[in-house]
Amino acid sequence: DTAVSQTPKYLVTQMGNDKSIKCEQNLGHDTMYWYKQDSKKFLKIMFSYNNKELIINETVPNRFSPKSPDKAHLNLHINSLELGDSAVYFCASSPAGGEADTQYFGPGTRLTVL
Amino acid sequence: AQKITQTQPGMFVQEKEAVTLDCTYDTSDQSYGLFWYKQPSSGEMIFLIYQGSYDEQNATEGRYSLNFQKARKSANLVISASQLGDSAMYFCAMREGLTGGGNKLTFGTGTQLKVEL
Repeated sequence: DTAVSQTPKYLVTQMGNDKSIKCEQNLGHDTMYWYKQDSKKFLKIMFSYNNKELIINETVPNRFSPKSPDKAHLNLHINSLELGDSAVYFCASSPAGGEADTQYFGPGTRLTVL
Repeated sequence: AQKITQTQPGMFVQEKEAVTLDCTYDTSDQSYGLFWYKQPSSGEMIFLIYQGSYDEQNATEGRYSLNFQKARKSANLVISASQLGDSAMYFCAMREGLTGGGNKLTFGTGTQLKVEL
């Protein structure tokens, strides 16, 4: 009965490779997000999709490309991985509208680029 | 731009005592929301409590309460009767509503809480 799930949990890869992280939510939420948590634990939003439509694209290198095949899934593809991409990537989801709009996070994917 | 400040990088508290984690925010929006999340050493982000800018009562969820002082722009988290399992990183975050739907959360730098026997 996992609410927001991500795969893989750990990802170790070489510089220059291309990798994907998958996210799925079974909460029936309309909006999904990708956040990056750096080595100092600082969390910053990268992207947000509302009903498969991109609504937030922070200043993220275009090597990062999110894809939302349906509103329950939001995947993150990263091309030409760099050392600085090493971080924990969190997927989150929230219902659309309403004041609270609490975001529920997945377990995170720890990406290590060697 | 919105900003969240957590001035306590680390805090210690004795088991069964109460502890207050500080959070101040800066925004020009009239409508906003404030959240606290817990990140234990296992890494997941756990939602704890929410306070809306128009809510007149302080939010409470079990042992967690949010001391909301709008004029001071502060939203401190109070944990009562601390337990060893409360040892974790705590993040304060503010919601910025977007016209296209969904919200953007801006996070503080976090406070590492350690509960001692």
